[in-house]
Amino acid sequence: KQEVTQIPAALSVPEGENLVLNCSFTDSAIYNLQWFRQDPGKGLTSLLLIQSSQREQTSGRLNASLDKSSGRSTLYIAASQPGDSATYLCAVRLDAGNMLTFGGGTRLMVKP
Amino acid sequence: SQTIHQWPATLVQPVGSPLSLECTVEGTSNPNLYWYRQAAGRGLQLLFYSVGIGQISSEVPQNLSASRPQDRQFILSSKKLLLSDSGFYLCAWSGRRGLGSPLHFGNGTRLTVT
Repeated sequence: KQEVTQIPAALSVPEGENLVLNCSFTDSAIYNLQWFRQDPGKGLTSLLLIQSSQREQTSGRLNASLDKSSGRSTLYIAASQPGDSATYLCAVRLDAGNMLTFGGGTRLMVKP
Repeated sequence: SQTIHQWPATLVQPVGSPLSLECTVEGTSNPNLYWYRQAAGRGLQLLFYSVGIGQISSEVPQNLSASRPQDRQFILSSKKLLLSDSGFYLCAWSGRRGLGSPLHFGNGTRLTVT
């Protein structure tokens, strides 16, 4: 059974810092991996999707990398801003059946 | 562009009462549809998914059920709510492209069973 772990569970940084969020998964035979952002009381917003054949994806100040063999993905946020404060979740898909297994999330707070 | 709507945004229901949460998707056809529940400290749990009208798969046994009466409509129901049904319910959709389309979520429904 696929298990997805996100460390740390919570993170507080000053504005302007570059930071890395970690996601690990137990079954490396994944189809793709998706990073989401969730604001309090809201739904999830898709940030980046990395297919199993890709090593990384970039969108603005966000960069997600994937190392399938070691079962890890990182989300890099450059020059963090208070508006980046949210919970970040990663989710992996084992096959093309479109069912995802989610990590528990990292709650990020960026202090002005 | 595609949009997903969920309602209501919040709901307070007594134990034993029925439940009906609705989700609709616009701007796409033949989507895969999902119901997730997010309970405090337990992460996101897949409840149901559907690959077409009338086709529902259940991931966990419970007193909830789902139906897909139309291509872009997904309904989560219960005949009698339990206290343990409280949580944040999220509807999501994905496309049918072969490369594993990304999942897109609605804004969720906060259900409190009293």
